[in-house]
Amino acid sequence: EDQVTQSPEALRLQEGESSSLNCSYTVSGLRGLFWYRQDPGKGPEFLFTLYSAGEEKEKERLKATLTKKESFLHITAPKPEDSATYLCAVQASQETSGSRLTFGEGTQLTVNP
Amino acid sequence: DAGVTQSPTHLIKTRGQQVTLRCSPKSGHDTVSWYQQALGQGPQFIFQYYEEEERQRGNFPDRFSGHQFPNYSSELNVNALLLGDSALYLCASRLAGHTDTQYFGPGTRLTVL
Repeated sequence: EDQVTQSPEALRLQEGESSSLNCSYTVSGLRGLFWYRQDPGKGPEFLFTLYSAGEEKEKERLKATLTKKESFLHITAPKPEDSATYLCAVQASQETSGSRLTFGEGTQLTVNP
Repeated sequence: DAGVTQSPTHLIKTRGQQVTLRCSPKSGHDTVSWYQQALGQGPQFIFQYYEEEERQRGNFPDRFSGHQFPNYSSELNVNALLLGDSALYLCASRLAGHTDTQYFGPGTRLTVL
């Protein structure tokens, strides 16, 4: 069974204080790993897709990296508007799994001004 | 470019009732997935529709059923509602064979009293 564990559950940063969120996964053949941002009461907003170990993607203050067992979402010099829950999800490459996503519980990030 | 839309935004039902939620996929997308997100948790996969057929199903009882129409829009039906069905119901769409990335709608907040 595919599993995704995110840590920490919650993270409080001061504006400008860089940090990283972790996503550990167990999947029978990784087809893709996805990062989403979710604001309270809203649907997840797509950030990145990573496909293979060593791959990196960047967008503004966010950078996602991937190894064979985990992914990191690095946040550089965060601003209060970066406050949100960050979700990690995996898609297995097995035929029977289709394109279903298995999500972690998320990391709730708060950036104080 | 129209994103994923869902209706209604909010819904309040009583135990034992039935509910229908609706989803229109992102323009050009043909595959629709439904997820249930309980408060403070990550989304859980319910099922996926492609070519008007259910292609994959998560660990949800038969009370959860769905349908996809020729225009790719979809419905999620839940019968005999339980208090535990209270959650944010998310619809996600993708274009089969072209991208693994799923784009989410804003969700429908269902409250069962």
